[in-house]
Amino acid sequence: AQSVAQPEDQVNVAEGNPLTVKCTYSVSGNPYLFWYVQYPNRGLQFLLKYITGDNLVKGSYGFEAEFNKSQTSFHLKKPSALVSDSALYFCAVRSAYSGAGSYQLTFGKGTKLSVIP
Amino acid sequence: DTGVSQNPRHKITKRGQNVTFRCDPISEHNRLYWYRQTLGQGPEFLTYFQNEAQLEKSRLLSDRFSAERPKGSFSTLEIQRTEQGDSAMYLCASSQHESSTDTQYFGPGTRLTVL
Repeated sequence: AQSVAQPEDQVNVAEGNPLTVKCTYSVSGNPYLFWYVQYPNRGLQFLLKYITGDNLVKGSYGFEAEFNKSQTSFHLKKPSALVSDSALYFCAVRSAYSGAGSYQLTFGKGTKLSVIP
Repeated sequence: DTGVSQNPRHKITKRGQNVTFRCDPISEHNRLYWYRQTLGQGPEFLTYFQNEAQLEKSRLLSDRFSAERPKGSFSTLEIQRTEQGDSAMYLCASSQHESSTDTQYFGPGTRLTVL
């Protein structure tokens, strides 16, 4: 079974400061890892993904994420937060194995990011 | 590319009624997924299609739930004899199979309220 933990329900950061949203995962074999953002009453918007290769992945809107295999983590980061980054962020995982059932994503419970002006 | 669309955006129904939701995926995407999201939780997988074939169903998908994708394009999710516990946001996503690393793109969701 695969699982994702987002240990912080809420993260508060001042505008202009760096931000980190934490994610750890558990999956059989190699992981494919994703970050999505959700604004109120909206669907999920894809930010970035890790498949293989460089452990630092760059995505949309200046976000990046660092894959750490030994710590089974995939933390989302941004060097300078904007008020417009305030939203709900979800980490998701699926197995790299392309057998039946492996395409479903397993999500964490989400982390609410508040950027304070 | 107009993105994944879902209709209706909101649905209020009385317990025991049947409801049907529609999802139109991104054109040329051959995989389509349904998820359910309740308040304070992340989305939970329900089922997915590759073209018209339903390849995986979660045990969350009780006998009251049925999904179809008859021509490999749009999909419908029907809930029969709705219960208050069915109240949730129902999300649809689509992806294009490419070396098994396909990214799922989500629609805006259908919010169901069962009274």
